Amino acid sequence: NAGVTQTPKFQVLKTGQSMTLQCAQDMNHEYMSWYRQDPGMGLRLIHYSVGAGITDQGEVPNGYNVSRSTTEDFPLRLLSAAPSQTSVYFCASSTPGQGAGETQYFGPGTRLLVL
Amino acid sequence: KQEVTQIPAALSVPEGENLVLNCSFTDSAIYNLQWFRQDPGKGLTSLLLIQSSQREQTSGRLNASLDKSSGRSTLYIAASQPGDSATYLCAVTIGGGKLIFGQGTELSVKP
Repeated sequence: NAGVTQTPKFQVLKTGQSMTLQCAQDMNHEYMSWYRQDPGMGLRLIHYSVGAGITDQGEVPNGYNVSRSTTEDFPLRLLSAAPSQTSVYFCASSTPGQGAGETQYFGPGTRLLVL
Repeated sequence: KQEVTQIPAALSVPEGENLVLNCSFTDSAIYNLQWFRQDPGKGLTSLLLIQSSQREQTSGRLNASLDKSSGRSTLYIAASQPGDSATYLCAVTIGGGKLIFGQGTELSVKP
């Protein structure tokens, strides 16, 4: 299993540009989520999904869109990039249930710089 | 609103020392609590997961405890090694796979 994969690893955007951060998992996990990590702020939840076709907002959703058309993929779209969106983005997946099955698996992250 | 706090923010210890990292949360309505390790420039690796009905979990030199009623968890690292140097993150699961994170403790173990 590849686990949780994210592309690209690093991206530079100009203000106003749009892009999609890709996230895929091959563990058949129902739950997927996106976080951003900023110095001094920890990780904050952007959007999450409890299954294909179901998404909802997290703590900091403004400026981002998501969709979940398949169990495996959960892309994050930046509609019009702003310098405030400079951050490291992590995708995570897990499955409901008891015990180790609820362990969250994280991707390696995407570093985004918005100029 | 659930808030998670980790103390201390940074910790430096000599090799071989036993140490304790602290995590507190404001709302006891959690599904579980997880401890993660993050190396510089890398993703998060899950170390231990404690269900809300459990009191502790152990893995090798790591032991994590959970006191839900008081909103506290501790991560105990025995016989610390330089390879343990990393940032340790505590997070509570509030349902739907959603995590609320603390800001982390940056640990440095000196040879």
